[in-house]
Amino acid sequence: GQQLNQSPQSMFIQEGEDVSMNCTSSSIFNTWLWYKQDPGEGPVLLIALYKAGELTSNGRLTAQFGITRKDSFLNISASIPSDVGIYFCAGQEYFGNEKLTFGTGTRLTIIP
Amino acid sequence: NAGVTQTPKFQVLKTGQSMTLQCAQDMNHNSMYWYRQDPGMGLRLIYYSASEGTTDKGEVPNGYNVSRLNKREFSLRLESAAPSQTSVYFCASSSADGRNTGELFFGEGSRLTVL
Repeated sequence: GQQLNQSPQSMFIQEGEDVSMNCTSSSIFNTWLWYKQDPGEGPVLLIALYKAGELTSNGRLTAQFGITRKDSFLNISASIPSDVGIYFCAGQEYFGNEKLTFGTGTRLTIIP
Repeated sequence: NAGVTQTPKFQVLKTGQSMTLQCAQDMNHNSMYWYRQDPGMGLRLIYYSASEGTTDKGEVPNGYNVSRLNKREFSLRLESAAPSQTSVYFCASSSADGRNTGELFFGEGSRLTVL
């Protein structure tokens, strides 16, 4: 099946730092999504992107849909302790196809 | 509002044993999914059901069967468990009505260990 390469695999940062992560695919997706998984929970949708080049914000989170449709980026500004968790990108091949392909995840740890 | 409920939350099996993971959603969603999560592998789709009465294979269906019992419930069965099926299993649902495309609602997960 398709693979989404997500990097970095893990990040160790201090509170207040900005965070950047990205996701690349070998094929085109028409929708890119970013999910966050808190420890012991299921993933929750953070941001959805539906158009190439789209830049969308949700509070301190900003995500972009790459112009080639093969990549996406997530930035978190001024990190806080509750940002800890695993961040997954996900791609959807075409509108109406509810099967998502997930990336391998980026584990974010905040050092006190 | 319960959302997506999975049972059991933890299970230990011996190789060759069978078991069923149960999932129910109370959001009147059309589509339901079973994913497995393994370290370094992300979430991989096992089976999904686009609507009541239909099921389709995902990326890693071997060793599993599913039943969409009604619109609310979607169960995952391991007929003869193997150590390679040790994983965390997530059930999810989505409205699939075209308005919130891509948004899946996940349960809390079921951690399965096969010895």
